[in-house]
Amino acid sequence: DGGITQSPKYLFRKEGQNVTLSCEQNLNHDAMYWYRQDPGQGLRLIYYSQIVNDFQKGDIAEGYSVSREKKESFPLTVTSAQKNPTAFYLCASSVSRGGQSGETQYFGPGTRLLVL
Amino acid sequence: GNSVTQMEGPVTLSEEAFLTINCTYTATGYPSLFWYVQYPGEGLQLLLKATKADDKGSNKGFEATYRKETTSFHLEKGSVQVSDSAVYFCALSRYNQGGKLIFGQGTELSVKP
Repeated sequence: DGGITQSPKYLFRKEGQNVTLSCEQNLNHDAMYWYRQDPGQGLRLIYYSQIVNDFQKGDIAEGYSVSREKKESFPLTVTSAQKNPTAFYLCASSVSRGGQSGETQYFGPGTRLLVL
Repeated sequence: GNSVTQMEGPVTLSEEAFLTINCTYTATGYPSLFWYVQYPGEGLQLLLKATKADDKGSNKGFEATYRKETTSFHLEKGSVQVSDSAVYFCALSRYNQGGKLIFGQGTELSVKP
């Protein structure tokens, strides 16, 4: 089955710790995205990548970092600089390099990050 | 800037009632418009979309029409079921913006038997 997998489902972070959220897709999609969802709010874009070895900041990139070394993988690191990391994190992908309006984005099941 | 505004929830309906969830947008040019649905504890799934004015998107009994004159994309369903209980998100994307989606805040729907 093709799709997007995110792991872990739940992640706990201690003060001053960096944590990495995994996102893998086997849809052969070029573009990948990371969104953050807070209770009662819509999703906000953290980072996106349209091609391997390239990525751009979204609306709330501060305190986060990403890499795109392989087409199928787009891990997100939540650094200690992110002061309010508790949220639900969603990864998504779409077919082309993101220049097209109207493309469907396919979402993974999400990772819930909690601060200890 | 670009933005999406949805009616506030939660919306509570009885089974077989008619559903409308309002969505209006602000954007330059001709955005594409989407409705996504999120079931508890899950990611988002595309429900329907429309890419140009007057297009109607439809899926699983849900419909929405892209109205440029009123900058709206309201979601409707004639008869809701308990299984439709979820959070519904309206979103837009614009050409040459990296494909990124701009979301409304979401509207929670609860359908009672």
